[in-house]
Amino acid sequence: QSVLTQPASVSGAPGQRVTISCTGSRSNIGAGNHVHWYQQLPGSAPKLLIYGNSNRPSGVPDRFSGSKSGTSASLAITGLRAEDEADYYCQSYDSRLSGPGNYVFGTGTKVTVL
Amino acid sequence: QVQLVQSGAEVKKPGASVKVSCKASGYIFTNYFIHWVRQAPGQRLEWMGWINPDKGFTKYSQKFQGRVTITRDISARTAYMEVSSLTSEDTAVYYCARQILDEFAFDVWGQGTMVTVSS
Repeated sequence: QSVLTQPASVSGAPGQRVTISCTGSRSNIGAGNHVHWYQQLPGSAPKLLIYGNSNRPSGVPDRFSGSKSGTSASLAITGLRAEDEADYYCQSYDSRLSGPGNYVFGTGTKVTVL
Repeated sequence: QVQLVQSGAEVKKPGASVKVSCKASGYIFTNYFIHWVRQAPGQRLEWMGWINPDKGFTKYSQKFQGRVTITRDISARTAYMEVSSLTSEDTAVYYCARQILDEFAFDVWGQGTMVTVSS
């Protein structure tokens, strides 16, 4: 099954910088498809954080930034705050005609603020 | 404001069907694709399919092809997602989401509908 792989968890102290990786393959991220990132607070729906690899929707703080290179992408959070404690998912489009679905999500990363 | 409001929680028996609604407001309903994404307890997000509200065209993940049907009612500004032949593995929160124009990303999400399949 086509899937994007993320670390299960990352943690950092308030004010620190953390990064979350998202590793794909030649059929999704490596095919030139954009990567998007979502934040999911406990018990809530996902919220779009980054779209088109590095663009922030209106209202998302510039503490959040995204980048992409080859078959991987990263989300960075600088100046970590308690309210950033959540699950984060990357998402892209898979160009293969077969497979479980064209829109693929990452395995998810739980960010813990120490 | 732009929002998607979903129907309430459902409890179904194995083998039954469930239909979840997603009502749009604050934007032109026919201008944006609506997708359905589910999340089983403690699991990652899983894309199920989309509908073009203007034309009614649909596309489904191969995993759900034949068991999921997405429809819409333009006058009601509402999209629907029906899952048949439910099993316990279909227990999940089901979300509708609006796709951004010119990007394969989702900028507005419904609040989610919990579907529990239990005998």
